[in-house]
Amino acid sequence: EAQVTQNPRYLITVTGKKLTVTCSQNMNHEYMSWYRQDPGLGLRQIYYSMNVEVTDKGDVPEGYKVSRKEKRNFPLILESPSPNQTSLYFCASSLAGTGTGNTIYFGEGSWLTVV
Amino acid sequence: DQQVKQNSPSLSVQEGRISILNCDYTNSMFDYFLWYKKYPAEGPTFLISISSIKDKNEDGRFTVFLNKSAKHLSLHIVPSQPGDSAVYFCAASGGDYKLSFGAGTTVTVRA
Repeated sequence: EAQVTQNPRYLITVTGKKLTVTCSQNMNHEYMSWYRQDPGLGLRQIYYSMNVEVTDKGDVPEGYKVSRKEKRNFPLILESPSPNQTSLYFCASSLAGTGTGNTIYFGEGSWLTVV
Repeated sequence: DQQVKQNSPSLSVQEGRISILNCDYTNSMFDYFLWYKKYPAEGPTFLISISSIKDKNEDGRFTVFLNKSAKHLSLHIVPSQPGDSAVYFCAASGGDYKLSFGAGTTVTVRA
């Protein structure tokens, strides 16, 4: 089954304790991306990757890091989480980006609470 | 500053009637528009899309209309069914690997 898998699905952590949210896709997609969803703001793009070893900032990259060492994996790293990073996070992937004809597939989401 | 706006946070419609969801955008470089549907505790799922070279795209009960001069698009659901109750997000892309989303509209279909 084609899917985007995120882990963990739910996490409560403390301020400053580094954490990683993993994302994996089994569709051989070139493009992967991370979003956060907050009330009244919809989904905002954090980082995206066009291919292995190629990443770029989205609209809200501050406080986050990413890496793309393998095509299927795109982890999101919070080096020193703060309470304002409490949010619902989604990983997404597509065959070749966000241009016309591309369908972007989303994972089920990771609820992160920073206390 | 949000480049994609859904000004109606919620919409309530009777089963069998038409649901119309609206979306406005400000970036004239956007050339591809998508609608996503999201149930609680799930990720967004793709519903329908439209390229800027078209003004209408239809897929079963779902039709998206694009008015480029007004920078406006709408999603029509006819007839509305109880399973359509969800949050709907409008999204837009300018081919630069970025996807901008609206804040979402919660649709409730009443029996």
